[in-house]
Amino acid sequence: QKEVEQDPGPLSVPEGAIVSLNCTYSNSAFQYFMWYRQYSRKGPELLMYTYSSGNKEDGRFTAQVDKSSKYISLFIRDSQPSDSATYLCAMSDLYNFNKFYFGSGTKLNVKP
Amino acid sequence: IAGITQAPTSQILAAGRRMTLRCTQDMRHNAMYWYRQDLGLGLRLIHYSNTAGTTGKGEVPDGYSVSRANTDDFPLTLASAVPSQTSVYFCASSDSGGVVNEQFFGPGTRLTVL
Repeated sequence: QKEVEQDPGPLSVPEGAIVSLNCTYSNSAFQYFMWYRQYSRKGPELLMYTYSSGNKEDGRFTAQVDKSSKYISLFIRDSQPSDSATYLCAMSDLYNFNKFYFGSGTKLNVKP
Repeated sequence: IAGITQAPTSQILAAGRRMTLRCTQDMRHNAMYWYRQDLGLGLRLIHYSNTAGTTGKGEVPDGYSVSRANTDDFPLTLASAVPSQTSVYFCASSDSGGVVNEQFFGPGTRLTVL
């Protein structure tokens, strides 16, 4: 079983839709949770991070962590065509915080 | 230079050949990483270095070697390339002394081994 599972999609939504992206994980030691966005033929870039459980909001993006269910989510409100990219979740534990475990990524297409 | 640069951008290589992928960062980050990205498998860590002079093995180190002679450079060498090493390779760096261990990624090297 992989440490981090993520539905690869692709996910296709109309402009303005609310998007929900999710990952599940198996290691209860994970404390840092991150979402990276990767445009086609580019390197990933950090979008949001959270520590431990709870929600974090940044503009149209909300990251949510449910440690009891080992489940994290990224919500995108009012999605835009410029949000079309692959979204990767990543996580690490407190003592090996340099070692990231990535999901395989979900490809999102927002249609104008 | 701004951020992380990788060279070459892409390469086609015959099996059995030796190849070094270059990575340079100008952010004075102490930690650097090499990942490979394959469809359906996501990013997998090959090797990492927490500081100049030290290296460690990641999830898929076989067939690869690295060195970290200074802070800025972290080359990845394939001693004898095989077709299964066809992939997109990303170098990343982070300041592990920061509050958030954000990893900054380079633009990637697309490698095809025939």
